[in-house]
Amino acid sequence: NAGVTQTPKFRVLKTGQSMTLLCAQDMNHEYMYWYRQDPGMGLRLIHYSVGEGTTAKGEVPDGYNVSRLKKQNFLLGLESAAPSQTSVYFCASSWDRAERGTQYFGPGTRLTVL
Amino acid sequence: EDKVVQSPLSLVVHEGDTVTLNCSYEVTNFRSLLWYKQEKKAPTFLFMLTSSGIEKKSGRLSSILDKKELFSILNITATQTGDSAVYLCAVPGSSGTYKYIFGTGTRLKVLA
Repeated sequence: NAGVTQTPKFRVLKTGQSMTLLCAQDMNHEYMYWYRQDPGMGLRLIHYSVGEGTTAKGEVPDGYNVSRLKKQNFLLGLESAAPSQTSVYFCASSWDRAERGTQYFGPGTRLTVL
Repeated sequence: EDKVVQSPLSLVVHEGDTVTLNCSYEVTNFRSLLWYKQEKKAPTFLFMLTSSGIEKKSGRLSSILDKKELFSILNITATQTGDSAVYLCAVPGSSGTYKYIFGTGTRLKVLA
């Protein structure tokens, strides 16, 4: 039981390049989330999904896209990376809505955009 | 607008000290408050609080919620160097119960 895994762990991009971050969970959770964490800003929600085939915008969705084609996977895409997207990205999943269940986090991806 | 504010921002103590971390919140239709510990990587769940006045305890860590005054505290007694971490507080947002609003965290450093 691996929980929530993220790939890659580190990545350096040049401005304008694209990439996809993969999140996978093996707990059969319905809900999945992508956050970014910046110094002094806490965790901010980018996008989330309440089930396979669904996605919704969080607090800071601009510049990102997501897809949830399979229940266990949640992909975060950057189409044209910008230095402002330098951050640590965390994926999380939960079995129920926020009021009822806790979120389980992946180990994070450290992204640097030059 | 939903808000979670944690204090202090950072704290340095010596092993054996007791610390109290604070989390205040503003959210419509409060449902729960969660505490997480974040060491080098992923936040890990500590407590979920839904009712005022009921203390949750796990070893040297304990937490309590005051729904009237809209805050929670996390206490750590007899601190150890392994308690060094960022402690995060979160509440489900008003606009939907799928989303959490996180505070910026309290960075605790415990010196040997």
